[in-house]
Amino acid sequence: DAGITQSPRYKITETGRQVTLMCHQTWSHSYMFWYRQDLGHGLRLIYYSAAADITDKGEVPDGYVVSRSKTENFPLTLESATRSQTSVYFCASSESGARNEQFFGPGTRLTVL
Amino acid sequence: GQSLEQPSEVTAVEGAIVQINCTYQTSGFYGLSWYQQHDGGAPTFLSYNALDGLEETGRFSSFLSRSDSYGYLLLQELQMKDSASYFCAVDTGRRALTFGSGTRLQVQP
Repeated sequence: DAGITQSPRYKITETGRQVTLMCHQTWSHSYMFWYRQDLGHGLRLIYYSAAADITDKGEVPDGYVVSRSKTENFPLTLESATRSQTSVYFCASSESGARNEQFFGPGTRLTVL
Repeated sequence: GQSLEQPSEVTAVEGAIVQINCTYQTSGFYGLSWYQQHDGGAPTFLSYNALDGLEETGRFSSFLSRSDSYGYLLLQELQMKDSASYFCAVDTGRRALTFGSGTRLQVQP
């Protein structure tokens, strides 16, 4: 199906474990983004990518790693999960950055115990 | 750095008009976007203003004043389904958006 998907939708993990959140889009959009959403903070940008093999830090990148070997995929890895990384994570894509509509995936609710 | 301010909550009745304000302080400004998010859902795009003035899309309108670093989202003929959170977001030219904390709109019958 066309669109943007995220997996898993829900994840519970323990402190110190590595976790990878997947994001896949079928529009061939150049730009992809990872946000986290916590109560009272809105959406905060973690990392974004302008094209395959090009990534940039956002507002809150510490503790996260991204890669983009293919245009359609943009995985987010928490190398050693901490409780403060409990959040809802949204992936988004757009044709050309901030001026264009960003299409959001359904989100991944991550709980770190 | 960037900062955006919007009210945390707004309440209105069905059929009424509501305005959600957003003021911003940014280093560099190209435009202001608005997104809607229902509880448990993903944000969805509503509008993007690059120039001063009012842009209308159906029941929703968005306004921008670059000189005042201010914008608002206007929702007319409110419906129960408009109950959601609304986020303003600035485009500072860094190719990514910076979002405000969101305004929770409650529409009452």
